[in-house]
Amino acid sequence: AIRMTQSASSFSASIGDRVTISCRASQGISSSLAWFQQKPGKAPNLLIYAASTLHGGVPSRFSGSGSGTDFTLTISFLQSEDLATYYCQQYYDYPWTFGQGTKVEIK
Amino acid sequence: QVQLQQWGAGLLKPSETLSLTCAVYGASFSNYYWSWIRQPPGKGLEWIGEINHTGSTNYNPSLKSRVTISVDTSKNQFSLRLTSVNAADTSVYYCARANRLLDSWGQGTLVTVSS
Repeated sequence: AIRMTQSASSFSASIGDRVTISCRASQGISSSLAWFQQKPGKAPNLLIYAASTLHGGVPSRFSGSGSGTDFTLTISFLQSEDLATYYCQQYYDYPWTFGQGTKVEIK
Repeated sequence: QVQLQQWGAGLLKPSETLSLTCAVYGASFSNYYWSWIRQPPGKGLEWIGEINHTGSTNYNPSLKSRVTISVDTSKNQFSLRLTSVNAADTSVYYCARANRLLDSWGQGTLVTVSS
């Protein structure tokens, strides 16, 4: 199975900060990478697919980049409602696999 | 707008069989795969498997020997069975629409395995 590794399990940032979350795949996955946001007690919500395509209704302060093995999710101007855990997920090959999650806390 | 509503038993004893069902509303059932994903309390997400309207399935090898996903197209429903559960299977189980992308999710069902 393809292993997905996120660089940090959690960190704190201030409102208005630019936040970057990294994700690395154990082998090349082209651009078959999605990002999810999960708020406490809720199901995950698709933010970005194909590494950089914003899902419908997602605010434009979210963006994604990367291809191959290294990927990044950026929140350009952190808002209080962005408090959540973020997961990357590859859909290049079965079984679909997720990163371990990065929890973003507000300072 | 697609909605997924799931239900099933929330408390099981070790060695019992987990059974969950997910109903799909507002979407063409035949155009997608339909997935199950689970999340142990406080931990990350694990994809369990998926099925389409013809009954074609893909499973996670880590669970394949114990998992069966089935479909009832007459009701726009799909179901998960996981046999011989143990404490490690305690998780929130989610159903989701999948066309490679998991773009719509059910509300989740907490299943606790305890003697």
